[in-house]
Parts: sequence; structure tokens; C-alpha cells
Amino acid sequence: QKEVEQDPGPLSVPEGAIVSLNCTYSNSAFQYFMWYRQYSRKGPELLMYTYSSGNKEDGRFTAQVDKSSKYISLFIRDSQPSDSATYLCAMSVTNTGNQFYFGTGTSLTVIP
Amino acid sequence: GAVVSQHPSRVICKSGTSVKIECRSLDFQATTMFWYRQFPKQSLMLMATSNEGSKATYEQGVEKDKFLINHASLTLSTLTVTSAHPEDSSFYICSAQQGTASYEQYFGPGTRLTVT
Repeated sequence: QKEVEQDPGPLSVPEGAIVSLNCTYSNSAFQYFMWYRQYSRKGPELLMYTYSSGNKEDGRFTAQVDKSSKYISLFIRDSQPSDSATYLCAMSVTNTGNQFYFGTGTSLTVIP
Repeated sequence: GAVVSQHPSRVICKSGTSVKIECRSLDFQATTMFWYRQFPKQSLMLMATSNEGSKATYEQGVEKDKFLINHASLTLSTLTVTSAHPEDSSFYICSAQQGTASYEQYFGPGTRLTVT
């Protein structure tokens, strides 16, 4: 079983839709959860960072962590064509060091 | 701020040759840099952790003699793929850590290596 599972999609939505992206994980020791956006042929860029369970909102983006279910989500409101990218979740046990576990990424296309 | 560059962005080489990829932190000093490999539709896989002035730490299964890493300064790390083979064709991404927190890792744009 992989440490982190993420549906690769592809996911296609009309402009303005609410997008829900999800990851599940198996290691209950994960405490730090991140979402990255990766445009084609580019490196990932950090979108959201959360610690432990709860919600975090930043503009049109909301990250949710449910540690009891080992499930994290990223919601995008009022999706725009510029949101079209691959979204990767990542998680780690500690807040130092480099041991990130990445999901495979979900490919999202927002249709104008 | 926190910009990481990679050079080249794309390289094609013949089997048996060596290829060097550079990773630079442009506006900050990075004691630690990381090298990842990404196959199509797969997640990033950490290859090695590079610390300035010391030997790189390689992940299990990564051949250190094949993937030579040098971190000569606080803003530059290089990855050399020696005696490249077609199976080494992949997208190589570096990242540089600006602070001590794990999320303070900034990724380069990646290098697409194709070995013919």
C-alpha cells in the first residue's frame, strides 16, 4: 500500500465550479500536510500548508485535514482556467528535514 | 523571493554520455537542496539530499556513483547523470530549503532528460 493515495484524474470542470481534490494516507504519524500546484513542465509551487486537523483558507482555496479518517482535501472556489494544472498533496511526520511523501497528483482542467 | 532555477530545462543526450544539471537558489542561500525524479503520472521521488560542503545523502535504491551530486556553494547544487541510459530519461526537479521548516522548500522548474 502506498503511503499516499491520490486519484490522478483527469478532472475537468466548467469555469466557476467548485473543485474538490482529495488524498488519503496510511501513516497516522503524518502531521504536516501540503498542497502543491504544478503547471506543465514546471516545478511544483506551494499552495497551502496545514498542521494537524482542521481547515485553512486562503482566498479561493481551502485545505481540510481529517486525521481521524486519514483524509485531506483541497477546495477551489470559483475555479478559473488559470487553475488548470496538476495538484499534488504532500505530507510529512516532522516539520524539519525533507521526508515528504507525495501523492501522484490530480490533473485539473477548468474549461472557460 | 524564493526563486529556484534549473539549467538546462531540456536536454537530449546519447546513451553512455554524462549530463550535468544545475540547480540554483537565486535570491536566498540554501544549506540544503534536494533532487527529485518524476515519471509521467507518478509522484515525485526523492533521490538525494544535498548539503553544502558535505556528501549527499542518497535514498535507498539510488546509485550514488551514477547520480553524482555536488553542492559547492550555498546557492548551487549539481546533479550529474553518468553513463546515461534510456531508462534514466525522466523529469528531474531540484528544490532548495530556505528555512528550517519542511514546507519552506522551493522547487525549480525541472529538467527534462531524454537519453537516446
